[in-house]
Amino acid sequence: DAGITQSPRHKVTETGTPVTLRCHQTENHRYMYWYRQDPGHGLRLIHYSYGVKDTDKGEVSDGYSVSRSKTEDFLLTLESATSSQTSVYFCATSPAGDYEQYFGPGTRLTVT
Amino acid sequence: AQRVTQPEKLLSVFKGAPVELKCNYSYSGSPELFWYVQYSRQRLQLLLRHISRESIKGFTADLNKGETSFHLKKPFAQEEDSAMYYCALNGLTGGGNKLTFGTGTQLKVEL
Repeated sequence: DAGITQSPRHKVTETGTPVTLRCHQTENHRYMYWYRQDPGHGLRLIHYSYGVKDTDKGEVSDGYSVSRSKTEDFLLTLESATSSQTSVYFCATSPAGDYEQYFGPGTRLTVT
Repeated sequence: AQRVTQPEKLLSVFKGAPVELKCNYSYSGSPELFWYVQYSRQRLQLLLRHISRESIKGFTADLNKGETSFHLKKPFAQEEDSAMYYCALNGLTGGGNKLTFGTGTQLKVEL
């Protein structure tokens, strides 16, 4: 594994509450990504980062925000969680723009 | 827009039988294609990418630009091949190695 951890690994929260998921890497990779995995949809990119403080939107960014204040951490925030955001969230990192992506173990989020 | 289609949600084969997981893509430029695999209770990991032209764990995949396909093949399925397989495309638009994934195919190898 590429030294990628995610916290928490499981979380149950109520509709309307803010939630922050953390991705931490020890590989000094420049690129970091947040995906969500849903049955019938595969993995969909939420946001990604190409450097400290440099982020951009992915395919399904509505309702999500991200921050990257240092190389090793990439935070995903659900401003006001909704049931449609119940999913498994994966973080990934990559050393370069055209290189393999390495995935974290995932966070299972349930919004009730 | 780029799109990846994996038409089969579930593919069940017997051990020793040939395997073909289908992947078709839509992209106007020159694509870079990948196969990622997720074994039970393990992380998603790269299986192979078309530019390396490698054979990993007996799997191969050839990019067919005419048919816009990148099917994954293995001549003889093994029980340990049971997993979820995702085809992914890197359109390299706007930088950042943004992957577009297909919906995945669950491969089940039966004894």
